[in-house]
Amino acid sequence: DSGVTQTPKHLITATGQRVTLRCSPRSGDLSVYWYQQSLDQGLQFLIHYYNGEERAKGNILERFSAQQFPDLHSELNLSSLELGDSALYFCASSVTSGNTEAFFGQGTRLTVV
Amino acid sequence: QKEVEQDPGPLSVPEGAIVSLNCTYSNSAFQYFMWYRQYSRKGPELLMYTYSSGNKEDGRFTAQVDKSSKYISLFIRDSQPSDSATYLCAMRMDTGNQFYFGTGTSLTVIP
Repeated sequence: DSGVTQTPKHLITATGQRVTLRCSPRSGDLSVYWYQQSLDQGLQFLIHYYNGEERAKGNILERFSAQQFPDLHSELNLSSLELGDSALYFCASSVTSGNTEAFFGQGTRLTVV
Repeated sequence: QKEVEQDPGPLSVPEGAIVSLNCTYSNSAFQYFMWYRQYSRKGPELLMYTYSSGNKEDGRFTAQVDKSSKYISLFIRDSQPSDSATYLCAMRMDTGNQFYFGTGTSLTVIP
């Protein structure tokens, strides 16, 4: 168990809908990273938050947004969902913003039908 | 061209074999090189990381970085069925917080 908690584990929703994925980092970790993993693309970096502030953006679509709350948990919001958004979404946390050792959660499997 | 390339396999070896997993990359600014192991339906877990060039050993695992060739390797000695997983390489620059992952190599160790 990495100590990073993601909910829900599975999510099935229809195209055009909006969903929220939640991540609780390890105790003491200030950084939260979001990744999308699909079969053909591998792990794609979406966004990084450190202590409530956005630090880096990767290949995140405009339909997606994220935030990190004062208690350090993070939410990833996906809207106007398309079939191609079906993937595993992982959250990872680390102590600092430049820490190499990031710990991953179990992921949320999103299926858009 | 992707920044990090990794042969997806699948790779199937008998128990006890030496396994070699590799990644190539294009960005010479990468300084941190990591290997993650991902079991089916689980999140990736960090196996080891190295900074800049050189070798690092941890038990049965050895990581090698050749920055001149932009090539990194993970060797697994005396492979075990429990090593069956997908292995992902990842890289990061000195500055910035973004990790760049390979697509992963699926490994099966046959008893």
